[in-house]
Amino acid sequence: EDQVTQSPEALRLQEGESSSLNCSYTVSGLRGLFWYRQDPGKGPEFLFTLYSAGEEKEKERLKATLTKKESFLHITAPKPEDSATYLCAVQSLSGGYNKLIFGAGTRLAVHP
Amino acid sequence: EPEVTQTPSHQVTQMGQEVILRCVPISNHLYFYWYRQILGQKVEFLVSFYNNEISEKSEIFDDQFSVERPDGSNFTLKIRSTKLEDSAMYFCASSDRDRAYGYTFGSGTRLTVV
Repeated sequence: EDQVTQSPEALRLQEGESSSLNCSYTVSGLRGLFWYRQDPGKGPEFLFTLYSAGEEKEKERLKATLTKKESFLHITAPKPEDSATYLCAVQSLSGGYNKLIFGAGTRLAVHP
Repeated sequence: EPEVTQTPSHQVTQMGQEVILRCVPISNHLYFYWYRQILGQKVEFLVSFYNNEISEKSEIFDDQFSVERPDGSNFTLKIRSTKLEDSAMYFCASSDRDRAYGYTFGSGTRLTVV
């Protein structure tokens, strides 16, 4: 069964303290891995799509990387406005082209 | 920036009543989706819709649920007879053919069944 596990569940950082969020996945063939940001009471906001091991993408203070078993979202020198829940989701070859399987998310709090 | 619009933002309904959740996807997108998130739980796939028909649905999407694209802009989710366990945040999403920019989600409708 396709599965996505994110760790840690929650992370508290001081402003400027860099860290990484982990997304481990078990799928029968990865079609794509997605990172989203979700603010309270809002819908997921698209950040990145990664398709193959070794791929990396960057946007401002965020950098996403992918291996055959996991993905990392690196946050460099975070600011309080980076506080949100970060969701990882996968599309598997067996799960259908249309379905995203989400992890439970990592709640990030960045304090000044 | 184009966005997916959902209405209403919050709906309270009595158990057993029918509800229709509405969505306006991004205008040039071809694929449409409904997801839901029960409070404190993961975002779950419900259904995908392409070319005026359901292309995939989850086991959650039983006979109580239906989707429709009644005109060129709206996409609706109907729950025929709501149950307490249908209380959740319902997200509409849309994507283009390439899905290169992922799926664009709306802000959601919070459905509360009492």
